[in-house]
Amino acid sequence: DADVTQTPRNRITKTGKRIMLECSQTKGHDRMYWYRQDPGLGLRLIYYSFDVKDINKGEISDGYSVSRQAQAKFSLSLESAIPNQTALYFCATSDLQGVGDNEQFFGPGTRLTVL
Amino acid sequence: GNSVTQMEGPVTLSEEAFLTINCTYTATGYPSLFWYVQYPGEGLQLLLKATKADDKGSNKGFEATYRKETTSFHLEKGSVQVSDSAVYFCALKTGGSYIPTFGRGTSLIVHP
Repeated sequence: DADVTQTPRNRITKTGKRIMLECSQTKGHDRMYWYRQDPGLGLRLIYYSFDVKDINKGEISDGYSVSRQAQAKFSLSLESAIPNQTALYFCATSDLQGVGDNEQFFGPGTRLTVL
Repeated sequence: GNSVTQMEGPVTLSEEAFLTINCTYTATGYPSLFWYVQYPGEGLQLLLKATKADDKGSNKGFEATYRKETTSFHLEKGSVQVSDSAVYFCALKTGGSYIPTFGRGTSLIVHP
């Protein structure tokens, strides 16, 4: 079974709709992240959380919100979707041990299209 | 602040050709360096890493050497295969930051 799962894998929605993307992990990691990937722009950090009570904005948080329901679950919401939020969204996790050299583990991604 | 610059793609090669994907960085502090690979339809996964100067990370025939003097971490493979077609991301993390900095990614296309 995959260690980091994302649902849905694909979603098409209309402008103005509220959308929630969900992420679950079985790795036991405290740190979780949401990124979006756009062609030519690489990965950009939306939000991150270091534990259940900790939520931090990334470089492109406007138009997004998150909820850390449990250590294993981290959801991303688009309150009112707009077309330029069409992108590939990734959830990632990492552990607490060490600071500099611990890798991130990524989910398979959610492809979101906003019409 | 931290930044990572990768060569723009796509890089198009024939099978068994030699591969180099350039990566240079700027960092406050002493970074750990990573290469991630994203196969079509999948998330990123760690390919290799190096945590101090002159370290060489290696995996699946890929290698990269941490060059502090040139602030570089170029990815190389002696003989690429069609199955290596993917997007490759260079990244760094510094000791005081829990958030990695990613490059924009380089697409590799390998033809039979």
